[in-house]
Amino acid sequence: NAGVMQNPRHLVRRRGQEARLRCSPMKGHSHVYWYRQLPEEGLKFMVYLQKENIIDESGMPKERFSAEFPKEGPSILRIQQVVRGDSAAYFCASSRLVLQGIEYGYTFGSGTRLTVV
Amino acid sequence: GESVGLHLPTLSVQEGDNSIINCAYSNSASDYFIWYKQESGKGPQFIIDIRSNMDKRQGQRVTVLLNKTVKHLSLQIAATQPGDSAVYFCAETAKTSYDKVIFGPGTSLSVIP
Repeated sequence: NAGVMQNPRHLVRRRGQEARLRCSPMKGHSHVYWYRQLPEEGLKFMVYLQKENIIDESGMPKERFSAEFPKEGPSILRIQQVVRGDSAAYFCASSRLVLQGIEYGYTFGSGTRLTVV
Repeated sequence: GESVGLHLPTLSVQEGDNSIINCAYSNSASDYFIWYKQESGKGPQFIIDIRSNMDKRQGQRVTVLLNKTVKHLSLQIAATQPGDSAVYFCAETAKTSYDKVIFGPGTSLSVIP
């Protein structure tokens, strides 16, 4: 997972607070993907972003969740007014170019483990 | 919706034996399949992939088999080692939506020394 940096590694929030998860893609990668993993489950796609654009947010909950990937700086996944059900591991992946061959560019970070108390 | 699923949620094997992890997929449009390994507290790590125009691909100690007729995928690990203990996910994606990789629920592999 070297190269895709996620922080914080662990985040504890009380119900109603906001959670901000950051992802810095690998150098040279301009495509970022966010996934959520509940305990004992697989990863669920949330959103795909390129610099300054949301390309596919079909996996994002309609409320409270938002994502951005600004021209400068990391991608941010923001969860407002967190609830206990938001507790999960959130993983970010990055790639160079989607259609160029995922196997050479799709790299995951180590994740942020969000716990809502 | 379409999904990828695994037949066996847990698998225990003796060190040195071969491991076989199975996966079923339902999206006939999927044309690219990936196996990931996830160790505790870490993100998924790419193991091996296969495109739909192939039925077998080999890597170092790992082989992936694809049977498009029955929409079945398997990962074979030769001479399983303690370091292979992890959760293994199969994943699929399609040419029409390479931005979205769909993961199965995972199989936990435990290697008995």
